Amino acid sequence: DIMMTQTPLSLSVTPGQPASISCKSSQSLLHSDGKTYLFWYLQKPGQSPQLLIHELSSRFPGVPERFSGSGSGTEFTLRISRVEAEDVGVYYCMQSIQLPFTFGPGTRADIK
Amino acid sequence: QVQLQESGPGLVKPSETLSLTCTVSGASISSYYWNWIRQPAGKGLEWIGRMYNSGNTADYNPSLKSRVTISVDTSKNQFSVKLSSVTAADTAVYYCARSGAMGPTEFDSWGQGTLVTVSS
Repeated sequence: DIMMTQTPLSLSVTPGQPASISCKSSQSLLHSDGKTYLFWYLQKPGQSPQLLIHELSSRFPGVPERFSGSGSGTEFTLRISRVEAEDVGVYYCMQSIQLPFTFGPGTRADIK
Repeated sequence: QVQLQESGPGLVKPSETLSLTCTVSGASISSYYWNWIRQPAGKGLEWIGRMYNSGNTADYNPSLKSRVTISVDTSKNQFSVKLSSVTAADTAVYYCARSGAMGPTEFDSWGQGTLVTVSS
């Protein structure tokens, strides 16, 4: 299985300030089709996870522009340009280049 | 707008079979990929498996493959998961989720989740 790691595991963010989360995979997530099969999900308190970013850097419809994804190969970053109070929750990266799909351990973000 | 709703017993005895159903509205179960994902309390997400091709094809997490079956009822627009020989380690919130609206592997719609506790 491809192992996913995330840093930090917890993050205290100030509204209006930027924030970033790193994710690493044990194998390259770059497919021969040119796509990178790395996804970001946010699980808000008491809710199901919701898709933020698909295939490395594409925002899912409805996701605010303050969220962006980047990286290559085995190292990836989710950035929030200006954190808002509604961004609290647990952020997960996930790979789908190889079965079984695997998630990172999650990064818990709260507001200072 | 697609909606998914999990249903099934909230309590299962050890060694018995866990059975859950996901009812889908707003999308045909004959299209897309339909997934089960679980989350033990306070822990991360584990992909259990998926079915697609109108239920003719299924992929499972090897860690559960010997115990899990995903099936479909197209007449009811539902899909189900069965997990046999459960133990306390199978206690979790179970989610159903769709993928395939954009690509085959992004989970764009999720159910609200249902808690299953394995206990005698």
